[in-house]
Amino acid sequence: QVRLHESGPGLVETSETLSLTCSVSGGSVTPYWWSWIRQPPGKGLEWIAYIYYNGDTNYNPSLKSRATLSVDTSKNQLSLKMTSVAAADTAVYYCVRYGFYHFDTWGQGILVTVSS
Amino acid sequence: QTVVTQEPSLSVSPGGTVTLTCGLNSGSVSTTHYASWYQQTPGQTPRPLMYNTNTRSSGVPDRFSGTILGNRAALTITGAQADDESDYYCVLHVSGDIYVFGPGTKVTVL
Repeated sequence: QVRLHESGPGLVETSETLSLTCSVSGGSVTPYWWSWIRQPPGKGLEWIAYIYYNGDTNYNPSLKSRATLSVDTSKNQLSLKMTSVAAADTAVYYCVRYGFYHFDTWGQGILVTVSS
Repeated sequence: QTVVTQEPSLSVSPGGTVTLTCGLNSGSVSTTHYASWYQQTPGQTPRPLMYNTNTRSSGVPDRFSGTILGNRAALTITGAQADDESDYYCVLHVSGDIYVFGPGTKVTVL
């Protein structure tokens, strides 16, 4: 059974870059699509973007200018970078496998707090 | 901007039936929006419930069902149980090949 594990700093300063990694175990990043989804504390879910194992991507228009997804097939990892973060980017960030038009396998999530 | 709508909260009696809906500010929801639903209890990871409008995810009991109801996607819980008390999120695949989540529906079983 595939498992996803997000890692990265839990605290990022305002205007800096948030960098997260998702390690995939029990399966391969190929030939799947993968997504990042976030959830501010006490609020709802927001889709950030998805990426195919070959690097094809699509982004939420509201975040497109700041978010970048990448995949490293040799390490079986995905990554998310988000620039110029602000308090509104404080959230639990989930790495998610994207199946047939849905998000079928979720990581446990990582809380990232943006602090000044 | 595409906005997905859901009821903020619904309540159901144990053993009862409740229907949650998922709409679009820009028009009708159809099967081409590939509606999917997720259940989340506080502090937990979202659990996939339904996808492609009416296909149950692995391990989901058949008292959960999905359909298109009028111009909205709908998730029905039949024979509600105490542990169905959760937040439920729908998400739609919309123009631009992107996904938009609804704000969630808090279901109370009482």
